[in-house]
Amino acid sequence: KAGVTQTPRYLIKTRGQQVTLSCSPISGHRSVSWYQQTPGQGLQFLFEYFSETQRNKGNFPGRFSGRQFSNSRSEMNVSTLELGDSALYLCASTEMTGGISGTQYFGPGTRLLVL
Amino acid sequence: QKEVEQNSGPLSVPEGAIASLNCTYSDRGSQSFFWYRQYSGKSPELIMFIYSNGDKEDGRFTAQLNKASQYVSLLIRDSQPSDSATYLCAVPNQAGTALIFGKGTTLSVSS
Repeated sequence: KAGVTQTPRYLIKTRGQQVTLSCSPISGHRSVSWYQQTPGQGLQFLFEYFSETQRNKGNFPGRFSGRQFSNSRSEMNVSTLELGDSALYLCASTEMTGGISGTQYFGPGTRLLVL
Repeated sequence: QKEVEQNSGPLSVPEGAIASLNCTYSDRGSQSFFWYRQYSGKSPELIMFIYSNGDKEDGRFTAQLNKASQYVSLLIRDSQPSDSATYLCAVPNQAGTALIFGKGTTLSVSS
């Protein structure tokens, strides 16, 4: 099976702009999670989608949003970008068993730089 | 809110030695634990997971779980320079729908 794919891999934006990142999970995986990784804070959970529904959300402002499509592909959007949003954004695909998270497989990430 | 704590390191060991990485967790009810490895500039990759008390071995890697003391450790035998990376410990969140990660321990293996 193909792995998790994320596009774009690199992105440079300026403050105030918005950005949309895309993630395609492993075929058959219906759960997609998003994480932000920065040197100081480590891996922080943004949100998780399962069957087009957001089931969990981390402690991030409303500028961070996401959605999932019927084919399990997911997008996340960050509006009104701030310098502190510069980070590696990781998408993880999970094969759910009985609604409970199994092993998460990460995509290569999108590195966002906000100038 | 579940928490996972790891010593950030760096942990430095010579080639061929045993590297011991530790992780403590706050929720006594946590049932499963995951170890990921992340090379600089790359995404995390799963090394192994453990559900039961005791040891689980996979090649040069051994995960040890002690639920009474609420810690899980990862031992790397015959450490190689290629093992130099950041090792992340994770537990599922309360709903079991996502993982909560520690900040990771950086391991450096010198040849």
